[in-house]
Amino acid sequence: QELLQESGPGLVKPSQTLSLTCTVSGDSISSGSYHWSWIRQPAGKSLEWIGRIYTSGNAKYNPSLQSRVTISVDTSKNQFSLKLDSVTAADSAVYFCAADRLKLGLDFWGQGALVTVSS
Amino acid sequence: QSVLTQPPSASGTPGQRVTISCSGGGSNIGSNIVNWYQQFPGTAPRILIYSSHQRPSGVPDRFSASKSGTSASLAISGLQSEDEADYYCAAWDDSLNGPVFGGGTKLTVL
Repeated sequence: QELLQESGPGLVKPSQTLSLTCTVSGDSISSGSYHWSWIRQPAGKSLEWIGRIYTSGNAKYNPSLQSRVTISVDTSKNQFSLKLDSVTAADSAVYFCAADRLKLGLDFWGQGALVTVSS
Repeated sequence: QSVLTQPPSASGTPGQRVTISCSGGGSNIGSNIVNWYQQFPGTAPRILIYSSHQRPSGVPDRFSASKSGTSASLAISGLQSEDEADYYCAAWDDSLNGPVFGGGTKLTVL
């Protein structure tokens, strides 16, 4: 069973870059069992898929965020990361990382990291 | 505004059967499988149903789901107090090349 854990600053200033890392344990991130996604959930609201990095190293992003988001992987640390540029208060949310089986769904989730955008 | 439409709330008494609906369109539910997630307050979602009607190991068979056309539904039979949670439907969207989610349904066990 995959275990995922998000880490990163909980407070980011407007216009700056939000950076989060997801550490995967229980399996090698490059095993091919899963791809790896980021999802966010503003307080009291639903879920929004941010993007995914495939085991090939290629990434796919939600078009609504594509101009500001980068997802990368560090196989040596069994981690993948999220960077979201030029953040505003609308980017305040709980950010989850997840093991992604594409159409079959998001099997395992991290506990979530609350990120607040405020000066 | 979520891409998939769910009722914001549902309720039932212990032992009852409750259903939660989910409506979408041709690029998501209409042409792909549906997954359902359960989320308790302050925790991460967990996958409850995948491939429209399959249950991961550990999910009780009280939970079942179906899909027809551009709609899907989750049914919970023998409702228990521990089922009180938020439930989200999700489906792959061919335009997005990723999942779209419903707005979530808050289930209350009376």
